[in-house]
Amino acid sequence: EPEVTQTPSHQVTQMGQEVILRCVPISNHLYFYWYRQILGQKVEFLVSFYNNEISEKSEIFDDQFSVERPDGSNFTLKIRSTKLEDSAMYFCASSFVSTPESGYTFGSGTRLTVV
Amino acid sequence: KNQVEQSPQSLIILEGKNCTLQCNYTVSPFSNLRWYKQDTGRGPVSLTIMTFSENTKSNGRYTATLDADTKQSSLHITASQLSDSASYICVVTRLTGGSQGNLIFGKGTKLSVKP
Repeated sequence: EPEVTQTPSHQVTQMGQEVILRCVPISNHLYFYWYRQILGQKVEFLVSFYNNEISEKSEIFDDQFSVERPDGSNFTLKIRSTKLEDSAMYFCASSFVSTPESGYTFGSGTRLTVV
Repeated sequence: KNQVEQSPQSLIILEGKNCTLQCNYTVSPFSNLRWYKQDTGRGPVSLTIMTFSENTKSNGRYTATLDADTKQSSLHITASQLSDSASYICVVTRLTGGSQGNLIFGKGTKLSVKP
């Protein structure tokens, strides 16, 4: 069964450093998403992406965050200057269509630890 | 505000026993409700999806119910197995997105199945 692949599985970074989280969505999917889950909290929406541009973003997704689809397969989330409160699991997801009935396939996540 | 509340927060049961997890939501406009299973350190995996007109949906030992009038859903697990130990997340899909995105997540119920 097709999977969404995320790398690395765990990243430790110092506060103030830039990090890039990488995702390879399912190949025929057109819509891409980033979510995050702070330890013990619920999964929160960050951003959705379609046709090489952001469709929607949450209040969390401020100027420190950016997304990019640099080639035909990768989808990245960049945090420019990490803060302690950015420590969380970051999940990438993709879907073929954007209708509410469409299934989202989630990756296994990247655990980001900011020290 | 769009919210999904789940109970209990955590649950411990013996292998072979049944259990029921609850979900209440205040999400509009409502499109569908999904139950996800999330193993520790992994991304959520969809178990069931229910639309407004569906009352019950089964997937093997998992049976989900939906009461759209009272905005409540339940997930019943029969004959539990050790591999059922995970977090079970109730997710309501909105017809429209916005800053919260299409998917509104509950905090999950952490289920532990003991031998």
